[in-house]
Amino acid sequence: KNEVEQSPQNLTAQEGEFITINCSYSVGISALHWLQQHPGGGIVSLFMLSSGKKKHGRLIATINIQEKHSSLHITASHPRDSAVYICSYNTDKLIFGTGTRLQVFP
Amino acid sequence: NAGVTQTPKFRILKIGQSMTLQCAQDMNHNYMYWYRQDPGMGLKLIYYSVGAGITDKGEVPNGYNVSRSTTEDFPLRLELAAPSQTSVYFCASTWGGSYEQYFGPGTRLTVT
Repeated sequence: KNEVEQSPQNLTAQEGEFITINCSYSVGISALHWLQQHPGGGIVSLFMLSSGKKKHGRLIATINIQEKHSSLHITASHPRDSAVYICSYNTDKLIFGTGTRLQVFP
Repeated sequence: NAGVTQTPKFRILKIGQSMTLQCAQDMNHNYMYWYRQDPGMGLKLIYYSVGAGITDKGEVPNGYNVSRSTTEDFPLRLELAAPSQTSVYFCASTWGGSYEQYFGPGTRLTVT
């Protein structure tokens, strides 16, 4: 059983739609990371958050540490947002979620 | 800071050959990791290190070896390459806990 569960696994959207990706984890952590990987590309860190909410452009990440849940929102989605989104946290290893594959069509 | 660097970017090996994938970071991170990513799949941990001189196996260590003689460098050695080792290899580093994760650009390895 994966220690970090993401939903949905796959997501298809039309350009302009509001996107939400969810992440649930089972242990107490100090911070959660959201990562992005474009097809055939490298892994980019989008957010690290310990509480509340962070915003960067059209991307918003929220976390509820008590409920062990985080969400990544994309407002006004665009085809260039098509990528795999991964939530993660640090222990002595990096623990990754199952990933959400997002495709945004024009 | 250069962040996490990996060399080479691409490599084609013949079955049975050996090679070393290089990874270096200039942020004085104590934690370093090697992951492999097969097409369409997630990241699988090969080896990791919590500090210079300390290494430990991840979930898929067979066919690989590592060393961590300095804080900066964490090379991954492939001995007797096999087609099953065809993958993209990512190196990562962090101070752990509530610190940022940093990833190298990846090495795309094909074994034929």
